[in-house]
Amino acid sequence: GAVVSQHPSRVICKSGTSVKIECRSLDFQATTMFWYRQFPKQSLMLMATSNEGSKATYEQGVEKDKFLINHASLTLSTLTVTSAHPEDSSFYICSARWAAENNEQFFGPGTRLTVL
Amino acid sequence: GQNIDQPTEMTATEGAIVQINCTYQTSGFNGLFWYQQHAGEAPTFLSYNVLDGLEEKGRFSSFLSRSKGYSYLLLKELQMKDSASYLCAPMDSNYQLIWGAGTKLIIKP
Repeated sequence: GAVVSQHPSRVICKSGTSVKIECRSLDFQATTMFWYRQFPKQSLMLMATSNEGSKATYEQGVEKDKFLINHASLTLSTLTVTSAHPEDSSFYICSARWAAENNEQFFGPGTRLTVL
Repeated sequence: GQNIDQPTEMTATEGAIVQINCTYQTSGFNGLFWYQQHAGEAPTFLSYNVLDGLEEKGRFSSFLSRSKGYSYLLLKELQMKDSASYLCAPMDSNYQLIWGAGTKLIIKP
């Protein structure tokens, strides 16, 4: 199957700083990538849909100025959590959709963010 | 609206068979995925159904009835490593996956 990498896998930062998370599709081109957040024992929550070369579409309740998404190429999307606060601590997961494989979403391994 | 209904938690015995049911309502339909998610990890793909019927893949099988908005995941010869959450995710007309809370499966020796 297709491989999606995510970096970093874990990050601890101080409140007020910004954190960038990278998501890469390693062996296919992904015109669409998704960013999810998951709190402990809760379901995946879609934050935004990222299309290559255009602005991301954010889900209701997700602040686009706080969660900056850039999808500059067919293999890379980045999520920047700006001015992070402890309540932003969560598990962030990206996925990339591959049209050639039934539009299946291939998930990255996730990034655990802890804001002190 | 769009929604998914799965049992919150199920318990089964090692070596046994378990069936996890899922009913769904979506705006349009482009197939249904089942994912497995171990605690602290990202989901991994298990199966995809777009036509009615049963898809078998080793110890795992998945069934779909589009007219009933119903799917199930069947796990045979359960192993301890199968303890995880199982996520039923139909795809709507925009090719967006709709996620529920999943079913936490606990395997006992």
